Amino acid sequence: DGGITQSPKYLFRKEGQNVTLSCEQNLNHDAMYWYRQDPGQGLRLIYYSQIVNDFQKGDIAEGYSVSREKKESFPLTVTSAQKNPTAFYLCASSFRTGQASTEAFFGQGTRLTVV
Amino acid sequence: QKEVEQNSGPLSVPEGAIASLNCTYSDRVSQSFFWYRQYSGKSPELIMSIYSNGDKEDGRFTAQLNKASQYVSLLIRDSQPSDSATYLCAAGGTSYGKLTFGQGTILTVHP
Repeated sequence: DGGITQSPKYLFRKEGQNVTLSCEQNLNHDAMYWYRQDPGQGLRLIYYSQIVNDFQKGDIAEGYSVSREKKESFPLTVTSAQKNPTAFYLCASSFRTGQASTEAFFGQGTRLTVV
Repeated sequence: QKEVEQNSGPLSVPEGAIASLNCTYSDRVSQSFFWYRQYSGKSPELIMSIYSNGDKEDGRFTAQLNKASQYVSLLIRDSQPSDSATYLCAAGGTSYGKLTFGQGTILTVHP
């Protein structure tokens, strides 16, 4: 089945630790995205990538890093510089078609908690 | 000013009624608009996309777009308790590939 797989589903991080969230897709999508969702709020864009080996900062990139070495994979690292990382992290992907944004589909999410 | 703003909610409707969800956006060059449904603790699920002015219907759902008024809406006919969820409006802006989301509207359909 085609889809977007995020792992792990739940992640606990100690203070000062870096953690990496995995996102893999087999939809042959070019673009991939990372969003953060806090309780009762909408989604905020962290990073996005339109093609392999290229990515752009979103609205809240500070304290996060990404890589895009393969079309299928877009891992997100939450670094110790991110002061309030507890949130629900969502990975999404979409096709590229001209200038208009196309439909984006989401993985099942990773819930990160600082302990 | 928020780029995408949704009616604050929560919205409560009786089973079988029409639920109306509204969204406004500030970026006049936005070209694509999406409605997602998100159940508690789950990820968003795409239910409608609309690119042109007017109405687009899919089953019990109708999306309406008015670019002159910078307004997008979602109507859910014959609302069911299973429609109870948070509905997220998203706009595709000039930054290629970037979607901007509203804060969401919580809908409760009571029997």
